[in-house]
Amino acid sequence: DGGITQSPKYLFRKEGQNVTLSCEQNLNHDAMYWYRQDPGQGLRLIYYSQIVNDFQKGDIAEGYSVSREKKESFPLTVTSAQKNPTAFYLCASSRDPVYEQYFGPGTRLTVT
Amino acid sequence: EDQVTQSPEALRLQEGESSSLNCSYTVSGLRGLFWYRQDPGKGPEFLFTLYSAGEEKEKERLKATLTKKESFLHITAPKPEDSATYLCAVQANTDKLIFGTGTRLQVFP
Repeated sequence: DGGITQSPKYLFRKEGQNVTLSCEQNLNHDAMYWYRQDPGQGLRLIYYSQIVNDFQKGDIAEGYSVSREKKESFPLTVTSAQKNPTAFYLCASSRDPVYEQYFGPGTRLTVT
Repeated sequence: EDQVTQSPEALRLQEGESSSLNCSYTVSGLRGLFWYRQDPGKGPEFLFTLYSAGEEKEKERLKATLTKKESFLHITAPKPEDSATYLCAVQANTDKLIFGTGTRLQVFP
């Protein structure tokens, strides 16, 4: 079955620690995205990548970093510089930016 | 500034009671409008893409329509399993999607 996997489903970290969220897709999509979802707000774009070894900042990139070394993988690191990291993080992919995006199941990160 | 507004924020329906959800947008050049369904604690599930005014798409009890300023998601004879948050997103002249805050639908038996 083709799809997007995110792991882990739940993640707990102490303040000041960096944490990396995993996103893998086997849809052979070129474009991949990371969003953050908070209650009462629309999905906000953190980073996106249209091709391996290239990525662009989204609307709220501060305190986050990404890499795209393989087409299938787009990990997101939440650094200690992110002021309010507790949120639901969603990874998505699409075959091209003009087409629909398909989402993974999400990772809920709690930082205390 | 590109903007997407969904209404109502929440909607409670009796099973079988048809209704519509609204997504209005102001963007500089619409490339596509997307509807998603999201269940609590899960990722959004893609429903429809609409590219031009007058276009309609249907899937089971759902029908999406598009005008130059808004899109409607019509739900005909809804069932409790249709309960979810429905998200609208638009793509303007960029590679990014702009999401609305969603309509939370509850259908009671």
